[in-house]
Amino acid sequence: GEQVEQRPPHLSVREGDSAFIICTYTDSATAYFYWYKQEPGAGLQLLMSVFSNVDRKEEQGLTVLLNKKDKRLSLNLTAAHPGDSAVYFCAVSGGSNYKLTFGKGTLLTVTP
Amino acid sequence: EAAVTQSPRNKVTVTGGNVTLSCRQTNSHNYMYWYRQDTGHGLRLIHYSYGAGNLQIGDVPDGYKATRTTQEDFFLLLELASPSQTSLYFCASSGGTGQLYFGEGSKLTVL
Repeated sequence: GEQVEQRPPHLSVREGDSAFIICTYTDSATAYFYWYKQEPGAGLQLLMSVFSNVDRKEEQGLTVLLNKKDKRLSLNLTAAHPGDSAVYFCAVSGGSNYKLTFGKGTLLTVTP
Repeated sequence: EAAVTQSPRNKVTVTGGNVTLSCRQTNSHNYMYWYRQDTGHGLRLIHYSYGAGNLQIGDVPDGYKATRTTQEDFFLLLELASPSQTSLYFCASSGGTGQLYFGEGSKLTVL
């Protein structure tokens, strides 16, 4: 089945710096890609979704890049602030789009 | 706003105990999911369902049963709890788009 590797597991940046998280997946039929954010004590919330026909998507200080050739998905938070401190998960799914496989998460800490 | 409510939020039981975790969604979603979250493993899918009476096996189903009684309600059952099932459990719902709406989690401790 699908395998998703996410790195780094921990990331610490200063306020105003960028934070970069990367995921690799194994199934070339993977069609849907997601980034979720989990704040302390809460469930996950969807940040961004990208479909396989998109290479780059930007929204509100977040940039998602998709490299289908290398089976790589990345998230870049530009100008991070302390409120961005959370655990970030990538998730992927195949054509069915109802069964997601999650990465193991990245704990991002943004210090003032 | 989508709403997924889990109960109980915290549960402590002993080895061999019987535990039921409840989940209710008011999103009119067809899909509901049970995940467990553990350090070093991320989120792992236990069971999911695409409608009342339906049950699909996830990636880590051993030791768990689940039942979807209505479109709104999805239950996770641990009939003989073991310490390895100590975890943070999340329920989620979706309309099949890949956008999952998560509950706030149920922390289970098995002594």
